[in-house]
Amino acid sequence: SQQGEEDPQALSIQEGENATMNCSYKTSINNLQWYRQNSGRGLVHLILIRSNEREKHSGRLRVTLDTSKKSSSLLITASRAADTASYFCATGGTGGFKTIFGAGTRLFVKA
Amino acid sequence: GAVVSQHPSWVICKSGTSVKIECRSLDFQATTMFWYRQFPKQSLMLMATSNEGSKATYEQGVEKDKFLINHASLTLSTLTVTSAHPEDSSFYICSASFGGQGSPLHFGNGTRLTVT
Repeated sequence: SQQGEEDPQALSIQEGENATMNCSYKTSINNLQWYRQNSGRGLVHLILIRSNEREKHSGRLRVTLDTSKKSSSLLITASRAADTASYFCATGGTGGFKTIFGAGTRLFVKA
Repeated sequence: GAVVSQHPSWVICKSGTSVKIECRSLDFQATTMFWYRQFPKQSLMLMATSNEGSKATYEQGVEKDKFLINHASLTLSTLTVTSAHPEDSSFYICSASFGGQGSPLHFGNGTRLTVT
């Protein structure tokens, strides 16, 4: 079964607004990652947060992790039309360990 | 760095034929690659973990005789869909890990397979 579940499933906002996506997972993790997928393309890694971290920033992205609630959030500030894509959280490890993806949030940013 | 190339980007084949998809790590060695399948507007479903020099590890419900995986070198894994049927039509994506545990996955751009 899938590990991560995103909320909301779809989100439509105006350019310049902030977009917040949430992810919940079920079991213990070593890290949690967020990926972006443009339609019909592969996934691009955005940010990784380790289980001992609570918050991480990268440009307009801010990720939080609450291991007690088994949840994470991705905030995109000052959104742009080019941010339109699907965003997935993923949990697990790498280097031979499985990474399991959530259902994704489809973000649409209107210009 | 850490580029993964997947080929072809799309393929149309007839029922009963086989299709091979290649996944290459261009600037790093990948002892492990992963193959995913994605249906429209859905998440990625892990099909199998491809290990260089050994047999792939398939997820439950994935037919290993239908989806043949070969990882003959540290930079190449192939997925062959044998005796394809229309229900095999999907988007197939490979990924590879660069670095040790805790490193992110790098993805190919996917292959759109249509079986007629």
